[in-house]
Amino acid sequence: DQQVKQNSPSLSVQEGRISILNCDYTNSMFDYFLWYKKYPAEGPTFLISISSIKDKNEDGRFTVFLNKSAKHLSLHIVPSQPGDSAVYFCAASYTQGGKLIFGQGTELSVKP
Amino acid sequence: GAVVSQHPSRVICKSGTSVKIECRSLDFQATTMFWYRQFPKQSLMLMATSNEGSKATYEQGVEKDKFLINHASLTLSTLTVTSAHPEDSSFYICSATYRVDEQYFGPGTRLTVT
Repeated sequence: DQQVKQNSPSLSVQEGRISILNCDYTNSMFDYFLWYKKYPAEGPTFLISISSIKDKNEDGRFTVFLNKSAKHLSLHIVPSQPGDSAVYFCAASYTQGGKLIFGQGTELSVKP
Repeated sequence: GAVVSQHPSRVICKSGTSVKIECRSLDFQATTMFWYRQFPKQSLMLMATSNEGSKATYEQGVEKDKFLINHASLTLSTLTVTSAHPEDSSFYICSATYRVDEQYFGPGTRLTVT
């Protein structure tokens, strides 16, 4: 049973435009959500997180939005850069610092 | 800061043998370490959670006698894949936390069982 889902396996965006990556979850007990960036044969790199008590968190070009009623979160990258091309995973946990349940990942390609 | 290393980065072993993977937190003391595996084009799946000095907690469906985890110190955890088979071939990744904070991931270990 996939509790965290990323339904788009891939996304292609033009450089300078906005990238929007989506993630849905089924368990309302999740309290903390994170986004990671991953290159092949490397470990994930933390990007940004959000607590369930918030609906938005922003860090530079990255903004995460959380809609608890819809059990949906999204990552916005603006402006997108070619160096952003990677696989992005969303993850959820019951507590901050607790075990993570990952989505399947979305491969983002930013074209010059 | 918050660097996590893994060794080896790649390993090939014969079916039936055991292989040990090390996970080290280089510049902090990790209260908890996690072990994940990732199959190609798939998500990272948590295998187990380990705390220093105590037995690891395994996720449902993960054989604890096959995947031995030892968290001997606050900077080192090891995963031993015993009697490895080709279906154990995967990308194994560890992560570590030192406070109630995000997990910091190692670079991963590619295991190929022939």
